[in-house]
Amino acid sequence: GEDVEQSLFLSVREGDSSVINCTYTDSSSTYLYWYKQEPGAGLQLLTYIFSNMDMKQDQRLTVLLNKKDKHLSLRIADTQTGDSAIYFCAESMGNTDKLIFGTGTRLQVFP
Amino acid sequence: DSGVTQTPKHLITATGQRVTLRCSPRSGDLSVYWYQQSLDQGLQFLIQYYNGEERAKGNILERFSAQQFPDLHSELNLSSLELGDSALYFCASSGPGQGNYGYTFGSGTRLTVV
Repeated sequence: GEDVEQSLFLSVREGDSSVINCTYTDSSSTYLYWYKQEPGAGLQLLTYIFSNMDMKQDQRLTVLLNKKDKHLSLRIADTQTGDSAIYFCAESMGNTDKLIFGTGTRLQVFP
Repeated sequence: DSGVTQTPKHLITATGQRVTLRCSPRSGDLSVYWYQQSLDQGLQFLIQYYNGEERAKGNILERFSAQQFPDLHSELNLSSLELGDSALYFCASSGPGQGNYGYTFGSGTRLTVV
């Protein structure tokens, strides 16, 4: 199947770390991605990780990949109110350019 | 501005009608992808074009069709519209061989069918 699953909501206090989780299905996925969608806007690519990597860090963002469990996570350090948005993980399908997106996790940051 | 332009931003139309959504990809990008985002279905891949030719097809209804023109802009045609077609329609683009490095999305067209 082509299901990519995420929890629907996450609420954190400003300054804390946020961890958004995702499970995917295609073990042949070459790349996995995290996108951010702010209200009324399109999806913005945050970061991606190649499938032979375990971790990738980019400023406040840390991506962890567990290929055995097909589990991907995005950690946002020092979460700010501007990080409030919907976060989507996505997997590439085999040798195609097609991306399959998760259901999205709505992150709410409160003061 | 992502460089991917979608028009119109909003569209309200009646059931049974036909509409055309337009997308101009980022300069230099050859691939165009169409996605539908609805509350109950999430982001669904509809179709991909690469340099004018259909490359991949997803959950696209027979009432929907798309094409990519020689200048690389793309149009998504939705006909015999139903209430359930109300959704955000996104276009995304990627460069040659860059599909695996992620897409660039437009800001979407919000379609409301009444």
